[in-house]
Amino acid sequence: LAKTTQPISMDSYEGQEVNITCSHNNIATNDYITWYQQFPSQGPRFIIQGYKTKVTNEVASLFIPADRKSSTLSLPRVSLSDTAVYYCLVASYNNNDMRFGAGTRLTVKP
Amino acid sequence: GAVVSQHPSWVICKSGTSVKIECRSLDFQATTMFWYRQFPKQSLMLMATSNEGSKATYEQGVEKDKFLINHASLTLSTLTVTSAHPEDSSFYICSARREVTLEQFFGPGTRLTVL
Repeated sequence: LAKTTQPISMDSYEGQEVNITCSHNNIATNDYITWYQQFPSQGPRFIIQGYKTKVTNEVASLFIPADRKSSTLSLPRVSLSDTAVYYCLVASYNNNDMRFGAGTRLTVKP
Repeated sequence: GAVVSQHPSWVICKSGTSVKIECRSLDFQATTMFWYRQFPKQSLMLMATSNEGSKATYEQGVEKDKFLINHASLTLSTLTVTSAHPEDSSFYICSARREVTLEQFFGPGTRLTVL
């Protein structure tokens, strides 16, 4: 049973805000949520991490509802260079279950 | 930010040879490192968890005698693909977990091609 479920692909246009949602219905109390970005032939790059409510950094925001069964990565004003695959990872501080889901392939069009 | 390096970045070898890939955390210590394999257009597949000073933990279906992992120090883990075959050709990625913040940082990956 997959730990996370994301849309396979999304399309957007330059300058728009993009929201990618990840479902993790079986998230455990100790689990936290991390989002990564991956370009072809590169290792994933850390974007943002959170446990609950809202987290914001210089590149993205992460929204986590009270039940924590999903999370939404928000990318403000995307550009062509944001075209990539985005992964959400649900993992615990107490274990090493670092398995990725299928990811979301975001395509930003001019 | 934290940096993880991998060496080599790409390697081509003949079938039957062994290939060693190094993963280093350059500016932090990592008692735990992870090894992934990724085929084209697919997600990362966790192969094993590497623990400093102890045996690696392998995912189901990953042959531990074929993919040897050594984590001899807090900044270095190695993956050796023994008796490589063309089906082992893939993109191998490591990651290291920084113990203070528990953030996971990834290396740039190693492209292995077995002829």
